[in-house]
Order: sequence, then structure tokens, then C-alpha cells
Amino acid sequence: NAGVIQTPRHKVTGKGQEATLWCEPISGHSAVFWYRQTIVQGLEFLTYFRNQAPIDDSGMPKERFSAQMPNQSHSTLKIQSTQPQDSAVYLCASSFISAETLYFGSGTRLTVL
Amino acid sequence: GQQVQQSPASLVLQEGENAELQCNFSTSLNSMQWFYQRPGGSLVSLFYNPSGTKHSGRLTSTTVIKERRSSLHISSSQTTDSGTYLCALGGTNAYKVIFGKGTHLHVLP
Repeated sequence: NAGVIQTPRHKVTGKGQEATLWCEPISGHSAVFWYRQTIVQGLEFLTYFRNQAPIDDSGMPKERFSAQMPNQSHSTLKIQSTQPQDSAVYLCASSFISAETLYFGSGTRLTVL
Repeated sequence: GQQVQQSPASLVLQEGENAELQCNFSTSLNSMQWFYQRPGGSLVSLFYNPSGTKHSGRLTSTTVIKERRSSLHISSSQTTDSGTYLCALGGTNAYKVIFGKGTHLHVLP
């Protein structure tokens, strides 16, 4: 079991560019989560999928952030027109059943210059 | 206000001392988890403990729902225990796990 896989580990973009982050959940897990971590805000919930269906995206900045889960083996988080305040570590997690033990990936560190 | 509060915010111990980390929450609880994070590292699950007491090696987690608190006890601390300990609460919407700000632990040799 390789765990939750996130790519890339690091991404640097210029202001206004697009960034796409990838997550491969643990095989068999039906719940997939995206979180954002910064020193100031800590860990913030972004969005949640259950059986590939979007259930709650209340944590997502609406204008520029979007998340998809086209199949059970991967999810993407896309940030359009990136801004310096988007710089953070973006973490993906999965679990067998929502709110049971979460397994986190190593994260993608996004730096927007 | 903040739904999940952790204390202390930071803690420095001498190797061998014990630590008691607290997590207090202001909303109803469906789940409680404790995680460990090394600087620059990912989160590692320590306990899924929505109620009662659980043990794992030198770690003990106790959640008391009526008192709206959960604690993590580390006995005989080691330098390798240094890092951040986070509690995470699943409330009414059980899937929406909310994290505390963490306790930053530094164990000196």
C-alpha cells in the first residue's frame, strides 16, 4: 500500500498562472478530502468527495478554485489565476468511511511568486 | 469562535519527562483524531478516538464527550517525539473534520 500519493511535491507559479495539483487516494477508500495548511491559518478544510461525488466544497474560494474526481483513483485541485496568498501546502487525505481515520499524502507545496 | 482549541500552544520538555496535551471543543462530536506532524512532513494518524481511552506504546488518548475535551499523554518523552501534535474534530457534519492549531513540542536531550 503506497499510501495517498500527491504530485507534484513542489510547484512554483507566477502570479496569474494556473496550478493543478493531483491526488491518488488509497485504493478502496471512498472518501477524499482536500486541505490547505499555512502557518497563520493552520489546516483549513477545502472540499470533500464521497464515492467520487462532490459533497461539500464550502471551504473553497469560489472564484478561482475548483476540484474534481473523475474516477476513483484520482482527484485534482485546480487554482486559476494564482495569487501570492494561495501559497500554502495543499494536503489530500482519504479514508474508508468519512470521518474515520484520515490518511494524508505528503502534500504539494505551492509557491506563487 | 474557534471550535477546536489546543493547549498549550508550545511545550519544551527534557527527555524523559511526561507531556499532557489538551484539546477542547465547543461543538457536538462525532469523531476525534490525533495526528503528529514533523516539520515539513505530512500528518500521521496517532489515534482515532471518539470516546474513552486508547493506548499505543508511550501514548494514551482520552476523550470525554460530556466535558468536551480530549487529551494526549506522552510518557517518557524522547527527542524523536518533537514536532506538532494536532487534534481534529468531526462535528455535526462528521466528514468535515476541523483541526486545532496544534501543540508544538520540543524535547531536549
